[in-house]
Amino acid sequence: GQQVMQIPQYQHVQEGEDFTTYCNSSTTLSNIQWYKQRPGGHPVFLIQLVKSGEVKKQKRLTFQFGEAKKNSSLHITATQTTDVGTYFCAGRTGGFKTIFGAGTRLFVKA
Amino acid sequence: GAGVSQSPSNKVTEKGKDVELRCDPISGHTALYWYRQSLGQGLEFLIYFQGNSAPDKSGLPSDRFSAERTGGSVSTLTIQRTQQEDSAVYLCASRLASGTVDTEAFFGQGTRLTVV
Repeated sequence: GQQVMQIPQYQHVQEGEDFTTYCNSSTTLSNIQWYKQRPGGHPVFLIQLVKSGEVKKQKRLTFQFGEAKKNSSLHITATQTTDVGTYFCAGRTGGFKTIFGAGTRLFVKA
Repeated sequence: GAGVSQSPSNKVTEKGKDVELRCDPISGHTALYWYRQSLGQGLEFLIYFQGNSAPDKSGLPSDRFSAERTGGSVSTLTIQRTQQEDSAVYLCASRLASGTVDTEAFFGQGTRLTVV
């Protein structure tokens, strides 16, 4: 079936280091969204990418959508303790169904 | 309402009992999703409703799980004969969904279910 794979599952970084999480789909995606879930909270929308090869930035966060629209990445430059949480990608395939990746849990050590 | 509302926020139930979890989506949102999240884990898709179309039930783990959405608004997730492995946070999300550009999915705070 359709799957959205996300790696790594966990990442421990020292504050100030960079962090990247990757999302790969077995099928072409109509769009991809990224969400952040703080510990104890619920997922909150960060951004949506629609176009092939699209790159968007939010301060220290850079989001990319692959040329084939099957993969995406989220890169955080110079992590801070406030970046702690789980980052999910969510891809829309055929129809209206959105499939979430399993998430990458980011730990930042001060 | 202002956001997605789920009730109850916490539910402790005895093994073998039935439970009902409720989700009030944002008014006008056509798509509604149920997910399950075990402690420290990712989101497990359960079921998806879109407008008047037949729901996508492909994620329901067993026939003990069922869900309905009345009048295209409120949704209820029912778990019959609960088992300890059903313990998790059950999250509901709603969104507008049309064309190729979606609006963001808004999540409720979730219902934490504990089966003892």
